[in-house]
Amino acid sequence: DQQVKQNSPSLSVQEGRISILNCDYTNSMFDYFLWYKKYPAEGPTFLISISSIKDKNEDGRFTVFLNKSAKHLSLHIVPSQPGDSAVYFCAATPGTYKYIFGTGTRLKVLA
Amino acid sequence: KAGVTQTPRYLIKTRGQQVTLSCSPISGHRSVSWYQQTPGQGLQFLFEYFSETQRNKGNFPGRFSGRQFSNSRSEMNVSTLELGDSALYLCASSGPGRGTGELFFGEGSRLTVL
Repeated sequence: DQQVKQNSPSLSVQEGRISILNCDYTNSMFDYFLWYKKYPAEGPTFLISISSIKDKNEDGRFTVFLNKSAKHLSLHIVPSQPGDSAVYFCAATPGTYKYIFGTGTRLKVLA
Repeated sequence: KAGVTQTPRYLIKTRGQQVTLSCSPISGHRSVSWYQQTPGQGLQFLFEYFSETQRNKGNFPGRFSGRQFSNSRSEMNVSTLELGDSALYLCASSGPGRGTGELFFGEGSRLTVL
């Protein structure tokens, strides 16, 4: 049972445009959500997070939106840069140090 | 501040063997988690340790086990290896908090089972 789903395995975007990565979850007990970026041969690195009491969190070019009623979150990257090309994972936790990750979306930013 | 260190980085085993992977968390971090990454499956949660106690466990068979030492270093062991155990095994540590702190990942140990 995949509690966190990233239905788009890949996404290509032109440099300078907006990248939108989506994530859906099923467990209403999740109360904290995170996005990680992963380059080949490296471990995932933290990008941005959001608590369930918020619906938006921004950090520079990265913004995460949370729609609790739809059990959906999205990551917006504006403007997209070639260095953003990586695999992006969303993750969720009910606050127990057990994090459930999605299957990842491979983002390719075209120069 | 040193990051999460995992050893070995790469290893090759044959079916039926066992393997032990090691993880040294960031200094001061007491929570250590392990994840398995395979193509198409994302990162799947194995288990999480805090102060030498397993607090959380994922849906993996009993062949997968782990432990944590008093210095917070952790090991995971996989016995009777199967071809499907070939994966990248990632360790992550986390600092104090109520379970929603950021996870800091190591570079992983890539296991190939022949």
